[in-house]
Amino acid sequence: DVKVTQSSRYLVKRTGEKVFLECVQDMDHENMFWYRQDPGLGLRLIYFSYDVKMKEKGDIPEGYSVSREKKERFSLILESASTNQTSMYLCASSYPSGYSGTTNTGELFFGEGSRLTVL
Amino acid sequence: TQLLEQSPQFLSIQEGENLTVYCNSSSVFSSLQWYRQEPGEGPVLLVTVVTGGEVKKLKRLTFQFGDARKDSSLHITAAQPGDTGLYLCAADTTDSWGKLQFGAGTQVVVTP
Repeated sequence: DVKVTQSSRYLVKRTGEKVFLECVQDMDHENMFWYRQDPGLGLRLIYFSYDVKMKEKGDIPEGYSVSREKKERFSLILESASTNQTSMYLCASSYPSGYSGTTNTGELFFGEGSRLTVL
Repeated sequence: TQLLEQSPQFLSIQEGENLTVYCNSSSVFSSLQWYRQEPGEGPVLLVTVVTGGEVKKLKRLTFQFGDARKDSSLHITAAQPGDTGLYLCAADTTDSWGKLQFGAGTQVVVTP
């Protein structure tokens, strides 16, 4: 069974703390993504990675960074957590995309999510 | 402003009724996906539509991609409590790497 595993289902942190959210996939996918989900806003892309040590900014990268040292693992880092980063964080992975300029219809496989509360 | 506009935002119906959820955009997409998310879980893919005018059926769920590939609908016939969930549409952006833009979602509640 394909699986994307997020390390923590629930976290409570204080403002200014450094937060690590870890994600591991067992499907040998090249692409990995971090989204945040807020009511009424849907899923918004924070960062994604299409290969080891490669990363690209998504739509809302401010306040976040990522690390992809191994193909199966993609970490999201909040250097100094703030209350407006309270949210549900979803990790996803997918098979490789087409070449640049072409489109990709690849299915995203999601983890169960990490609900972060910053006090 | 969302690239994909979903309507309605919330839908509450009785078991056995029919419902339709819409996903609209001013942009043309090469494909569009529908996901369902249940409480405490990540979204799970239901279907991908690729061709303008395409209709796909998944048991009691019917998905349609608009002729101009700018909009899509999801119709559920004889809804059951197990259909309860957040329905999300998503479309690939014009660049590569498989980035998807998501709509805000439609929360569907089916009561017995």
